[in-house]
Amino acid sequence: EAGVVQSPRYKIIEKKQPVAFWCNPISGHNTLYWYRQNLGQGPELLIRYENEEAVDDSQLPKDRFSAERLKGVDSTLKIQPAELGDSAVYLCASSGGGNTEAFFGQGTRLTVV
Amino acid sequence: AQSVTQPDIHITVSEGASLELRCNYSYGATPYLFWYVQSPGQGLQLLLKYFSGDTLVQGIKGFEAEFKRSQSSFNLRKPSVHWSDAAEYFCAVFNTGGFKTIFGAGTRLFVKA
Repeated sequence: EAGVVQSPRYKIIEKKQPVAFWCNPISGHNTLYWYRQNLGQGPELLIRYENEEAVDDSQLPKDRFSAERLKGVDSTLKIQPAELGDSAVYLCASSGGGNTEAFFGQGTRLTVV
Repeated sequence: AQSVTQPDIHITVSEGASLELRCNYSYGATPYLFWYVQSPGQGLQLLLKYFSGDTLVQGIKGFEAEFKRSQSSFNLRKPSVHWSDAAEYFCAVFNTGGFKTIFGAGTRLFVKA
């Protein structure tokens, strides 16, 4: 069974440019998470989806971040415009059937210069 | 508020020596607890989890953890460390109210020959 797939693995952009990350969760998993992991820290939740509905986006900086999960499967996280402080690893995770265990993708390492 | 504390930012052990990584949590109800490992450039891999029952849980790669409610701790142990265990280790608690995983800041393990 394929795990959570994220792309790209690495991205370097100049500040003020837009960037998007893509996530394909494990098949059948209704819950999808986006986490941000700053250097030397643990992951912090940005947004959680249940199917196509964003049920917790309280930590998402909505002035520049947006996310969508069309059809309740794949998800895209966008930053526009990017700032230097957005440099981090962006992790996608999914879980299913009310299971508390989340399965993580390999992440996208974003560097804003 | 729920939180996870990993007191040690980094630990160095000799190959073949025993290991214990500390984790303390703050949570009002019976916690769902996890240990994840993250190798450089990789996503998070679940080592083990505690939901209920036996307070000593076994995980993959020879790791185990013991839940101690009286001390609000969930320390990770391994009797004999291998060089390939060098990585970042994250303790986490599942917030059932918000249905999200809260991570500690991580402990980086270095293994010396």
